[in-house]
Amino acid sequence: AQSVTQLGSHVSVSEGALVLLRCNYSSSVPPYLFWYVQYPNQGLQLLLKYTTGATLVKGINGFEAEFKKSETSFHLTKPSAHMSDAAEYFCAVSPSSSNYQLIWGAGTKLIIKP
Amino acid sequence: DADVTQTPRNRITKTGKRIMLECSQTKGHDRMYWYRQDPGLGLRLIYYSFDVKDINKGEISDGYSVSRQAQAKFSLSLESAIPNQTALYFCATSDRDPGQPLNEQFFGPGTRLTVL
Repeated sequence: AQSVTQLGSHVSVSEGALVLLRCNYSSSVPPYLFWYVQYPNQGLQLLLKYTTGATLVKGINGFEAEFKKSETSFHLTKPSAHMSDAAEYFCAVSPSSSNYQLIWGAGTKLIIKP
Repeated sequence: DADVTQTPRNRITKTGKRIMLECSQTKGHDRMYWYRQDPGLGLRLIYYSFDVKDINKGEISDGYSVSRQAQAKFSLSLESAIPNQTALYFCATSDRDPGQPLNEQFFGPGTRLTVL
């Protein structure tokens, strides 16, 4: 069965520092890959997605992620953290053979230290 | 106004009670989903619907039922609530595009349900 692993339930960085949130998936074929963000007391919203084409994907709020097939990874990065980035981030995968179901990681809570 | 709304936002109930959570959307999307979120487990799909006459079970449908009253409305019911159904419940919608096998899902603000 497909699975998504997010390393670290909590990640803490200082304001202005690099943000790196890790996501690895298990799949025998390249899936579709997503990052969603959940701000406190809100629903989830899409940050970025990879379907085909360029493996470096840019999203909203300065985030980007790179699909690395050989490493089965889709890590999320941002060069300089801002206090407003504090939220929970979810990686999700859709097998290319499926047209509806997302398999979700457990989430990583990003904490920004002043 | 929000595109995907959920009512109620918070609910406390007792074991054995029947509960209905409602979801409405103004996005005109065909597809609607119900998820539950538990700390450390991410989101798990309960039911999904591709249109009014197409309803399917997700990963964890036991103890839940749904009704798609119209394209814009998708309700989740707990027939006899139990404490381990205490969770945050999200409704989501997505569009259908033949050129894209899977589109972005748009989420409501969630309903926090506590079963005592």
